[in-house]
Amino acid sequence: DAGVIQSPRHEVTEMGQEVTLRCKPISGHDYLFWYRQTMMRGLELLIYFNNNVPIDDSGMPEDRFSAKMPNASFSTLKIQPSEPRDSAVYFCASSFGRGVSTGELFFGEGSRLTVL
Amino acid sequence: SQQGEEDPQALSIQEGENATMNCSYKTSINNLQWYRQNSGRGLVHLILIRSNEREKHSGRLRVTLDTSKKSSSLLITASRAADTASYFCATDYGNNRLAFGKGNQVVVIP
Repeated sequence: DAGVIQSPRHEVTEMGQEVTLRCKPISGHDYLFWYRQTMMRGLELLIYFNNNVPIDDSGMPEDRFSAKMPNASFSTLKIQPSEPRDSAVYFCASSFGRGVSTGELFFGEGSRLTVL
Repeated sequence: SQQGEEDPQALSIQEGENATMNCSYKTSINNLQWYRQNSGRGLVHLILIRSNEREKHSGRLRVTLDTSKKSSSLLITASRAADTASYFCATDYGNNRLAFGKGNQVVVIP
């Protein structure tokens, strides 16, 4: 398997523009996580899905952020409109559920977003 | 928020030396995991230790878990330049999510 695939790897955009980040999880994994990484706040969990269903989106900073998982092999994280404070590296990760315990997460290489 | 906290935050050592990092957490956990992140890359899973385990080894890595002190340590023995990276602990509180610490930056000098 190619691992978790994210696109784009880098995105530079102007404030107010819409940004869409994409993720293809590892085939067979039933959990998908979106994290945001900044120097100040470290790794923050934004939202996670189980079997394509959003389970917890309490980490989504505000209504400008939305995430979808239309099928088991694709997820998007959208920011509209984008603001400079959204600049960060966004990671997608997937895992295979193991009951009540969280198993090993497989991370993509991340999407580095810069909002000017 | 409940999350692992690593200590120290930055470590610089000579190649061949051992590197030790600590992580503390706040409440009971199902498991604790350690990840490595090379500059500009995604996180890579290193090792998982369950709450009923006290020590685990994987190659040059040794992880301990002390649930009474709510702490864990990661030891890298005989470090190599390729071990230069940031290391994160992540705690599983049983709600199907991991809480990550801020990370330890380790620099191994050849």
